[in-house]
Amino acid sequence: DVQLVESGGGLVQPGGSLKLSCGASGFTFSDSAVHWVRQASGKGLEWVGRVRSKLNDYETAYTASVKGRFTVSRDDSKNTAYLQMNSLKSEDTAVYYCTRLDPSKGFDPWGQGILVTVSS
Amino acid sequence: DIQMTQSPSTLSASVGDRVTITCRASQSISIWLAWYQQKPGKAPKLLIYKASTLESGVPSRFSGSRSGTEFTLTISSLQPDDFATYYCQQYNSYSYSFGQGTKLEIK
Repeated sequence: DVQLVESGGGLVQPGGSLKLSCGASGFTFSDSAVHWVRQASGKGLEWVGRVRSKLNDYETAYTASVKGRFTVSRDDSKNTAYLQMNSLKSEDTAVYYCTRLDPSKGFDPWGQGILVTVSS
Repeated sequence: DIQMTQSPSTLSASVGDRVTITCRASQSISIWLAWYQQKPGKAPKLLIYKASTLESGVPSRFSGSRSGTEFTLTISSLQPDDFATYYCQQYNSYSYSFGQGTKLEIK
C-alpha cells in the first residue's frame, strides 16, 4: 500500500522548535515531491511548504507566513521527509499533514496528520 | 499567488439530491484542479483530478467539470456517506492554493 505516516508532533511553547517526520512506503519516494499542509481546528487546508526530488535539485518553497521559520528537507535513504519548525507562534497550532504531489493528479496519498500545539 | 474562491461555504441537502459546488481561480490554471473530500478527524481524500478525471474507486455519482477558470463538483444523487467537507485545490503552480471548503450538511 502507498502510505505516509507523520510523527513528532506535540506541545511546544511559543518561540520553541519542533521537527516533524514523514515516513513513506509503497512507492518510489526519491522520485516524489513531498508537501506539508496544515489545518487549524475548524478551519480549512493551508499549504505550508514542499521539497522536490533530487532530479529537481531538492528545491524548496514555502508559504509566506512560515518563510524563514520552517524548513522542509528529506533523506531519501530513509524514505523520510522532515518539517523543521522554529520560532513557533500560537497561530502555527494545527494538524500537519504530509502528502505527495503527483504532477498529474494532485496530492495523493496523505498521511494521517499530526497535531502541533503551540501554547504556554 | 493564485486565489481559489469556493462556494457555497455551507450546503444543506437531502439524500438523493443533486448538488453542485463551484470553485473559481483568480487566473488560468488550465486543467490542474483537484477536488478532495474530508471527514471529521480524517485526512483529505482525492476524488477528482485534472478537473474532471475520477480517481480510482470513487463512485460515479461524483463528477467534475471546467469552464475557463470556473470549476464545478457535482454529486448526482447524495448518499449518506457523502456528507462531509469538500475542497478544491489548484496544482498548476506554487502556492498550491485550496478553496475555503464547502461543508455539506444533512437537511
